[in-house]
Amino acid sequence: EVQLVESGGALVQPGGSLRLSCAASGFTFSSYKMNWVRQAPGKGLEWVASISGSGATIYYADSVKGRFTVSRDNTKNSLSLEMNSLRAEDTAVYFCAREGGGRHCVVSSCTTYYYYSYMDVWGKGTTVTAS
Amino acid sequence: QSVLTQPPSASATPGQRVTVSCSGSSSNIGSSTANWYQQLPGTAPRLLIYNYNQRPSGVPDRFSGSRSGTSASLAISGLQSEDEGDYYCAAWDDSLNGWVFGGGTKLTVL
Repeated sequence: EVQLVESGGALVQPGGSLRLSCAASGFTFSSYKMNWVRQAPGKGLEWVASISGSGATIYYADSVKGRFTVSRDNTKNSLSLEMNSLRAEDTAVYFCAREGGGRHCVVSSCTTYYYYSYMDVWGKGTTVTAS
Repeated sequence: QSVLTQPPSASATPGQRVTVSCSGSSSNIGSSTANWYQQLPGTAPRLLIYNYNQRPSGVPDRFSGSRSGTSASLAISGLQSEDEGDYYCAAWDDSLNGWVFGGGTKLTVL
């Protein structure tokens, strides 16, 4: 069964640090880009960070750039999010999500095409409270 | 404010059809593809529609998606009480180099 399980959420004081983990199983972890997405209490979804399958390409949301670091260990099928200088506004449920995708042929000969992607597998989330 | 714009709420009675809109720009929906997620109360988001109108296995054909320019829409036909929840559109933004979400639409089945 394809599964993602987050852990590491806790109550932390503003200015503190925390490390979240996401354990993957049931698929070839190194073949997939992975994401962290968060949801503040009563609010919508907010993308936090992405990391390519090899770990070579990383992107962050402006709201966390310089404070959060995403990494992965493909030998352990594990994704991490190191969170420093935590603020009250970082309080949220943090989800890890697998990113899949493919190529869509616009014409049958596939001489014209585009790539699409989506987050298709999500964990149940782990709660971080900065207070 | 969210980069993608959705109506905050929608409602309909069981059996009816409801649509949810998502407005973006040339750097996201206009150049990428739009996906839709369903989040039922107390649960993680679930992929509902990808690549504008494709359904993952297990998603009923009552759910459908479409795109027009820099906007996308989700339609739910034959509405059921278990469809009540929050619906989010999402797209990769080439200018921001990140995923952007709509603010979410809370669907109420009357």
